[in-house]
Amino acid sequence: DQQVKQNSPSLSVQEGRISILNCDYTNSMFDYFLWYKKYPAEGPTFLISISSIKDKNEDGRFTVFLNKSAKHLSLHIVPSQPGDSAVYFCAASADTNAGKSTFGDGTTLTVKP
Amino acid sequence: DVKVTQSSRYLVKRTGEKVFLECVQDMDHENMFWYRQDPGLGLRLIYFSYDVKMKEKGDIPEGYSVSREKKERFSLILESASTNQTSMYLCASSLQGRQGHYEQYFGPGTRLTVT
Repeated sequence: DQQVKQNSPSLSVQEGRISILNCDYTNSMFDYFLWYKKYPAEGPTFLISISSIKDKNEDGRFTVFLNKSAKHLSLHIVPSQPGDSAVYFCAASADTNAGKSTFGDGTTLTVKP
Repeated sequence: DVKVTQSSRYLVKRTGEKVFLECVQDMDHENMFWYRQDPGLGLRLIYFSYDVKMKEKGDIPEGYSVSREKKERFSLILESASTNQTSMYLCASSLQGRQGHYEQYFGPGTRLTVT
């Protein structure tokens, strides 16, 4: 049973437009949700997170929205830049299992100039 | 800056060989993890460790073992490598972030090919 799902394997957007990456989860025990970005031949790097007590967290061009009732979160990138082209992983963790995260399969974002 | 290093970027081994993948972090993190990344399957947790000499199985521990003799070092061992263990292996360590989450820091990965 996959507890964290990213249903879109890939997404292509034009430079300057909004990118929206989606993530769904099934485990209601998850307390924290994180997004990581991965370039080819590099390890993932942390991008932004949100606690389950919030519904929005913003950091520059990146905003994460959480809808707990729908068990859904999304990452918005505005405006998108070619350097944002990467694989984005959604991850979730439970406070009772601090440190261990469950990852989605990833979405490959391509931002076209 | 936190640094997580992995002993090899690329590795080619033969079926049946014993393989050691080493990971070192320099920020005194308690938690360390080993994942494998395969196309369409995302990051799957193999083993993790909360402290020296402590280890816990992740989602796919079969065919792997780990060792954590020192806090900064976490080793992944393939006792008898098989072709289905050809993959990208990622090591990570974690720190509790400002908002209470455990942000993970990843190494660059080791691409292992078993022939």
